[in-house]
Amino acid sequence: GDSVTQMEGPVTLSEEAFLTINCTYTATGYPSLFWYVQYPGEGLQLLLKATKADDKGSNKGFEATYRKETTSFHLEKGSVQVSDSAVYFCALRTQTGGFKTIFGAGTRLFVKA
Amino acid sequence: GAGVSQSPSNKVTEKGKDVELRCDPISGHTALYWYRQSLGQGLEFLIYFQGNSAPDKSGLPSDRFSAERTGGSVSTLTIQRTQQEDSAVYLCASSHPGLNTGELFFGEGSRLTVL
Repeated sequence: GDSVTQMEGPVTLSEEAFLTINCTYTATGYPSLFWYVQYPGEGLQLLLKATKADDKGSNKGFEATYRKETTSFHLEKGSVQVSDSAVYFCALRTQTGGFKTIFGAGTRLFVKA
Repeated sequence: GAGVSQSPSNKVTEKGKDVELRCDPISGHTALYWYRQSLGQGLEFLIYFQGNSAPDKSGLPSDRFSAERTGGSVSTLTIQRTQQEDSAVYLCASSHPGLNTGELFFGEGSRLTVL
């Protein structure tokens, strides 16, 4: 079945460091891909999305490119801030079986000042 | 309402008791999801409703879990004979069919503690 695999955390970085959180997927067809973020004490919210191959989603300085050839959607940010500390979830929306959304296990990011 | 509303926000129950968790989606959203988030774990898919179609129950962990959606709006997740391993945050999300990308809007969750 469809699935999402993302790197285990926690990831600890110093402020202004470069961030990469890896995400790969297994899916039938051409799913839509998402990154959601959960800040401390808050609910999940959409960070960025991409709906087809080679699309790049971006928001708040974060970027991810839909790579069909490697079935990946890695999240990157050039310079993290303390306020980026959160749990990041990679997700896909299936194209078969009713358009269900499946999430990865989440990666916790700590950014130190 | 303005967002997805879940109740109760916190529930403490004794092992063996039944619990009901409620989700009120954003008005007009025909898709509704339940997920479970255990401490230190990711989001585990439980069940998905889409309009009048039969729900996708493939994620329900046991027959103690059930969910229904009345009138295409409010949904109730019921856990019978609760066990300690049921302790988790239960998240509800809804989605609008007109949003081609399928973005989900989440509620704040219901934290269940089974003693």
